[in-house]
This record gives sequence, C-alpha cells and structure tokens, in this order.
Amino acid sequence: NAGVTQTPKFRVLKTGQSMTLLCAQDMNHEYMYWYRQDPGMGLRLIHYSVGEGTTAKGEVPDGYNVSRLKKQNFLLGLESAAPSQTSVYFCASRDPQGRDEKLFFGSGTQLSVL
Amino acid sequence: DAKTTQPPSMDCAEGRAANLPCNHSTISGNEYVYWYRQIHSQGPQYIIHGLKNNETNEMASLIITEDRKSSTLILPHATLRDTAVYYCIVLSDRGSTLGRLYFGRGTQLTVWP
Repeated sequence: NAGVTQTPKFRVLKTGQSMTLLCAQDMNHEYMYWYRQDPGMGLRLIHYSVGEGTTAKGEVPDGYNVSRLKKQNFLLGLESAAPSQTSVYFCASRDPQGRDEKLFFGSGTQLSVL
Repeated sequence: DAKTTQPPSMDCAEGRAANLPCNHSTISGNEYVYWYRQIHSQGPQYIIHGLKNNETNEMASLIITEDRKSSTLILPHATLRDTAVYYCIVLSDRGSTLGRLYFGRGTQLTVWP
C-alpha cells in the first residue's frame, strides 16, 4: 500500500517550458488536492477535485491546470512555467466518507524554474 | 485569513513533554481543531483532531480549553524524530470545505538531545 505517490521528485525547467506533475493514490479516495509550499510558508491550495472528471480552483490557481481522468490520478500542469512557480508541490487525498478531514500527503515535488 | 495563532518556534529536551499552544479565539461552535506536522522535506502528516473534548491517540494528546479559544498539543515524550513544523488548523464551514485546510506558518519544534 503505497498511499500517495508523486512523480517526479525533482525538476528544473526553463521559463516558458511546460510540464505535468503526476499524483497517484491507491486508497480509492474521492477527493484529491494540489498544494504549493514556498520557503518559510505554509501550504496554499492550487486546485482540488471531488471526484473523477471534476476539478475546482483553490486559493492560487493562476498559471496551473489540472485533470482527473481517473479516480486514482490527479495531474497538475504548467503550460508556460514562470520563476514565480518555483516551489515544492504536494498532492493529498481524502476519503469523504470518513468522519474527519484527514488528508494523506505525498512526499512532494521540488520544482525550480530558471 | 489566519484563524489560528502559533508561536513561530519552540524547543524541547528529548524525553520531556512538548506542549505546543495554539490560539483560535474566533472559532465557531461547529469548527474542529486539527493538528498536522511536517518533517523537513516531507509532506504533512495528520496527528490528531478534536471538537471540544480532550483527545488522545498513539501520537499525541490534544487539550482544548472549555471556551474553545485555545488548545495545546502535547507530545508526552519527545524524541529527535519529533523535530518538525507543527500546524494548528481550524476548519471553516466543515462539510463544505471539502478538505480545504488552511495551513499557516506553524510552529517549528526542535527537540535537542
């Protein structure tokens, strides 16, 4: 049982390049989330999904797109990377049938945009 | 919009209890208090949560004041592996948040030998 797996773990991009971050969970969770974390800061929600085929904007959605074609996967895309998107990205999932708001997080993706 | 206030840093000797405070003076009646921690370079990890009663699990205890305006997370016997940033989170509109937890800057706990 791997939980939440993020790939890649590290990536360096040049300004204007595009890339996709993959999040996969094997817990059959309906809800999935993408957060970013900048140095010395807490986590900020980018986008989230409440089920296969659905997505919604979080606090800081600009410059990102997401897709949830399969329940177990949540993709985060950067169409034209900017230096301001240098950050650590975390994916999380949750079972909405649970009594609580317990999130399970992946180990993160360190992204640098030069 | 921060709904909680935590000290930026604390330290604790290994083997002693670590008591991490959190103020949430504007908490409403149906809001829960959640604690997560983030060990360096890892994703946050759930610790414990509560509404009004004190809670205990294998990781920690949570003490919530009677007026619910503050709480304390207690790690009874801190170890070096407990060194992490600890986040106190109050849910807004539970049931409609869909897990949109607000992570502030938290408290950096350093456990020293």
